[in-house]
Amino acid sequence: GQQVMQIPQYQHVQEGEDFTTYCNSSTTLSNIQWYKQRPGGHPVFLIQLVKSGEVKKQKRLTFQFGEAKKNSSLHITATQTTDVGTYFCAGPFAGNEKLTFGTGTRLTIIP
Amino acid sequence: GAGVSQSPRYKVAKRGQDVALRCDPISGHVSLFWYQQALGQGPEFLTYFQNEAQLDKSGLPSDRFFAERPEGSVSTLKIQRTQQEDSAVYLCASSLLGTGYRVASYEQYFGPGTRLTVT
Repeated sequence: GQQVMQIPQYQHVQEGEDFTTYCNSSTTLSNIQWYKQRPGGHPVFLIQLVKSGEVKKQKRLTFQFGEAKKNSSLHITATQTTDVGTYFCAGPFAGNEKLTFGTGTRLTIIP
Repeated sequence: GAGVSQSPRYKVAKRGQDVALRCDPISGHVSLFWYQQALGQGPEFLTYFQNEAQLDKSGLPSDRFFAERPEGSVSTLKIQRTQQEDSAVYLCASSLLGTGYRVASYEQYFGPGTRLTVT
C-alpha cells in the first residue's frame, strides 16, 4: 500500500550539531507538509512545499522537496534544546485529499 | 483566538464500554479531521468532514467507530464496545478551507488530543 517512511527513526545529537531527517514516499505526493510534535504535545505545522525541487528556509531549518515529488528532507543547523521533538512529514498522495503521515524522526539533544 | 480544543483529555474505559470524544475546531474552519495516534507512531487518518458532510471515512478501523459533525462545527467521535486495541491518542484537526479547494493542501491545526486507555 501507499506509505511514507522516514529515516532515521531516532537521532541523538550534541547541542550545536546539525540534524537531518529524510522522508520517502512510495508514490508521488501532491505536496509535502512538515509537522513538529513535542513530547506529550500535538503536531504543529511547520511548512508546506508544493513544487518539484522546491527549497524553503525558516531560520535554522531548511526544507527540500524532491524533483519526483516522492521524497523530502528537513535539515536543522546548529541544533538547540528547543528543537527536541518528533518531526513528521505528511502529504496527500496524488488524487487523494487526506494526509498520510510519515513514521517520524525523534530528535533528542545532548546538552 | 482559541485553538482546537478536545475533551476529555484523558479517558479510561473498560473493555466493552462506549466512549464519545468531542472536538471543538477553530471558529470558521470548514474542514475537520480525526486521527488516531498509537504510541511512537505518526497520526493515522480516520475520517474527514467539510462542514457537516463526512466526505471520507475510509480510515475508520471498524463499524464500531462513528463520527458526526451535525451543525458543521463541533464534532464527536464515538467508539462502541471498546477493545484494548482502541487504546491510543485521538487527535482532531481543523483547516480553514473547504469546498472547491484541495483541502489537504492547507495546514491543519491540531487539538491536544484525547488519550484513551481501554482496560
